[in-house]
Amino acid sequence: KQEVTQIPAALSVPEGENLVLNCSFTDSAIYNLQWFRQDPGKGLTSLLLIQSSQREQTSGRLNASLDKSSGRSTLYIAASQPGDSATYLCAVRSGGSNYKLTFGKGTLLTVNP
Amino acid sequence: EAQVTQNPRYLITVTGKKLTVTCSQNMNHEYMSWYRQDPGLGLRQIYYSMNVEVTDKGDVPEGYKVSRKEKRNFPLILESPSPNQTSLYFCAITDRGSNEQYFGPGTRLTVT
Repeated sequence: KQEVTQIPAALSVPEGENLVLNCSFTDSAIYNLQWFRQDPGKGLTSLLLIQSSQREQTSGRLNASLDKSSGRSTLYIAASQPGDSATYLCAVRSGGSNYKLTFGKGTLLTVNP
Repeated sequence: EAQVTQNPRYLITVTGKKLTVTCSQNMNHEYMSWYRQDPGLGLRQIYYSMNVEVTDKGDVPEGYKVSRKEKRNFPLILESPSPNQTSLYFCAITDRGSNEQYFGPGTRLTVT
C-alpha cells in the first residue's frame, strides 16, 4: 500500500528565503507525482506534475524534482513571498487503471514579511 | 482549462437526513472522483468513476453512494449521514491528456 510522507509538517521562514519541501513515498512504482497548494478552507491548486520518466519540472519560482528509485521528491521555492503562505501537498499516482492519488498530510508554510 | 463545480459549498444537516453534493465539469473528461479531507488523516478517495455508468469504491466508501448517468456530472449521495461524515469534500477530474488532476472548490459538510 502506497504511503506518502511530507517533512516538515510546518515551516516558518522570513520573506526572501529559498526553501525546500520534502516528500517521500514507499512504493517507487508510480505513474506520476503532483504538487498542490491549498489555502485555508479552500480547494487544491495544482502547481507541478512530474511524470515518472521525468527528473524535474519548473514553473516560475517553483522547481520540483523526482527521484523515483529512492522514493523522494522535493519542491524548491525561490525568493519566498508572504503570498506563498499555504499548505503544500504532495500526491502520487501509482500504476494501474485507477487514477487515485495518494496524498501526504502536507507542509504548512508561513512566510513572514 | 478544466473547471470543477461543487454545490453546495457549505452544508449543515442532521443525522439521517439524506443529502446530495453535486459535482460537474466543463470539459468531457472521463475520470472523476470524490475525496474527503480530515485533520490528521489528509485526503482519502471515496469513490471514482472511469466513465458513464462505471463507478468503483475508493479507500473509504462506507456510507456513501455515487452515480454517473452523464459524463459531466458525478453526484455524491449520503443516504443517512452520520456525524463521522463531517468533513471537507472534494470532487476531482483527471485530464487524460496531461495526466493532471483538477479539484473543485470543496464542500464543507457538518452533520449534527
